[in-house]
Amino acid sequence: SAVISQKPSRDICQRGTSLTIQCQVDSQVTMMFWYRQQPGQSLTLIATANQGSEATYESGFVIDKFPISRPNLTFSTLTVSNMSPEDSSIYLCSVEDIAIRVQYFGAGTRLSVL
Amino acid sequence: DQQVKQNSPSLSVQEGRISILNCDYTNSMFDYFLWYKKYPAEGPTFLISISSIKDKNEDGRFTVFLNKSAKHLSLHIVPSQPGDSAVYFCAAADQTGANNLFFGTGTRLTVIP
Repeated sequence: SAVISQKPSRDICQRGTSLTIQCQVDSQVTMMFWYRQQPGQSLTLIATANQGSEATYESGFVIDKFPISRPNLTFSTLTVSNMSPEDSSIYLCSVEDIAIRVQYFGAGTRLSVL
Repeated sequence: DQQVKQNSPSLSVQEGRISILNCDYTNSMFDYFLWYKKYPAEGPTFLISISSIKDKNEDGRFTVFLNKSAKHLSLHIVPSQPGDSAVYFCAAADQTGANNLFFGTGTRLTVIP
């Protein structure tokens, strides 16, 4: 399985600011995924990031709020922009082993917005 | 609308006994199901999966059962160990070729020594 490193592991941010979360994989992958887990809720897909093209966002998520970069096949970033307390969540990145249809996750970034 | 549901937020089991975690889904297009385990401050870790063409898949102490007619799956852990204490998520993928997983809200399992 892929080894995924995510930074930062946690942060406390002020309302109105932005935070960029980094995700590094130890192997080249076509697609990377970004999820959000709000308190007491399930994981929800934010967007799928392909290298060399714009990310594909799920319903309810927009690029202006969650811009994503995918500069190469091992790295991606998710920015949470103009944060409000409602953005307080765990943000996770994942990659898929297509052959067995399994996604592997990073440890997540726990974000608290004051 | 929550397409994957785990109706039991928590479960406590004695060490050595069987743990049974349940999951229901509503979307008949789901054709692949996975169970993940999550410890605090860690990401979800893949445990076991099952395709809709099967009704059972076993891996060591872990067995997943799928009842397609009832749109229900369950994870059995036998025997349960204290290290199994974690939050367990059920997830589903559909046939459309999209790669996103639909997750349940999780069940917190506590195995009592």
